[in-house]
Amino acid sequence: NAGVTQTPKFQVLKTGQSMTLQCAQDMNHNSMYWYRQDPGMGLRLIYYSASEGTTDKGEVPNGYNVSRLNKREFSLRLESAAPSQTSVYFCASSEMGLGLNEQYFGPGTRLTVT
Amino acid sequence: QQQVKQSPQSLIVQKGGISIINCAYENTAFDYFPWYQQFPGKGPALLIAIRPDVSEKKEGRFTISFNKSAKQFSLHIMDSQPGDSATYFCAASRAYYNNNDMRFGAGTRLTVKP
Repeated sequence: NAGVTQTPKFQVLKTGQSMTLQCAQDMNHNSMYWYRQDPGMGLRLIYYSASEGTTDKGEVPNGYNVSRLNKREFSLRLESAAPSQTSVYFCASSEMGLGLNEQYFGPGTRLTVT
Repeated sequence: QQQVKQSPQSLIVQKGGISIINCAYENTAFDYFPWYQQFPGKGPALLIAIRPDVSEKKEGRFTISFNKSAKQFSLHIMDSQPGDSATYFCAASRAYYNNNDMRFGAGTRLTVKP
């Protein structure tokens, strides 16, 4: 099992460019998440998907859109990148199951917007 | 607002020593408190977690202490090893919920010197 995979690992964008970050999980989890990690800020939730076909905003959704393509895949799109979106982006997944949801994280995408 | 405050930002410990990281939370509805360990270039991974029905949980060299009245919890790493050098994040959320309310501390960079 690969767990949670993310592509690309690194990306440099110019201000105003767009891109999509891809995430896939092979653990048959219902819930998936996108976080950003900034120095001194910990992880902040951008968007999440409780199950296939549903998405909801997290703490910091402005400037992002998401698509839950199927149960395995959850993508994050930056329509017009800004320098403030320079960050490390993590995708995670979890299973409701008994209620205590361990979140499994991918290796991250390091994005720089110039 | 930062709902989970973590200290210290960085910590240097000698091999064999005890590492202690502290967190405080604000939301009294939170009842699930995980700690994540993150190595450079990797995603966070669950290390240990506690529910407020117990005041302490131990797994090997790692112990969580929980003080519900003070709304504080801490991670103790006994006999710290160089391989423990990583960034540690505390988090808090409601347990029986779909985890979109998980809030992370800012992280502690631990260095264990040989």
